[in-house]
Amino acid sequence: DIQMTQSPSSLSASVGDRVTITCRASQGINNYLAWYQQKPGKVPNLLIYAASTLQSGVPSRFSGSGSGTDFTLTISSLQPEDVATYYCQKYNSAPWTFGQGTKVEIK
Amino acid sequence: EVQLVQSGAEVKKPGESLNISCKGSGFSFTTYWIGWVRQMPGKGLEWMGIIYPGDSDTRYSPSFQGQVTFSADKSTSTAYLQWTSLKASDTAMYYCAKWGRVPVSGFDYWGQGTLVTVSS
Repeated sequence: DIQMTQSPSSLSASVGDRVTITCRASQGINNYLAWYQQKPGKVPNLLIYAASTLQSGVPSRFSGSGSGTDFTLTISSLQPEDVATYYCQKYNSAPWTFGQGTKVEIK
Repeated sequence: EVQLVQSGAEVKKPGESLNISCKGSGFSFTTYWIGWVRQMPGKGLEWMGIIYPGDSDTRYSPSFQGQVTFSADKSTSTAYLQWTSLKASDTAMYYCAKWGRVPVSGFDYWGQGTLVTVSS
């Protein structure tokens, strides 16, 4: 099975900072990648699909890029409400594995 | 409005069976994949598998194959996650989620989660 590895596992940044989270697939998955945000105690929320398409209603400070094996989620200007754990998920073929998550905190 | 409403929290003993449910509304239940996701306490999301209620086609993660069973009742727009013999390690939050349709991919709507606690 294809493994999904996110880095870093956690990060602390200041409000207004640019934040980048990386997701690496152990084999190529084309652009079959989604990103989710899970705030503490809440249900996950879809942010991005097809590696770079913003889900309706998601703030434009979130963006995704990549194809093949290497993907990034970028928050252009970190806001206090972005404190959450972020997960990537591949869906080119079953199993549709999630990455282990990246916890984002405010410094 | 699309909604997935899950059944309430459960407290069970090891070896007991359990069925939890996920009722969909506001969309054509039989034409979207419904997935199940486990989140153990303090841990990340784990994809358990998916079911297509239209024909009950299922795909299981190898980690969960043989451990759980997915089913769906088209008449009530409800998906189910079943265990025949629970273990303490099944203690977790379980989410159902709807997979979007082209062009949207990804779990675009989620249930509120069902907390399952297995303890003697």
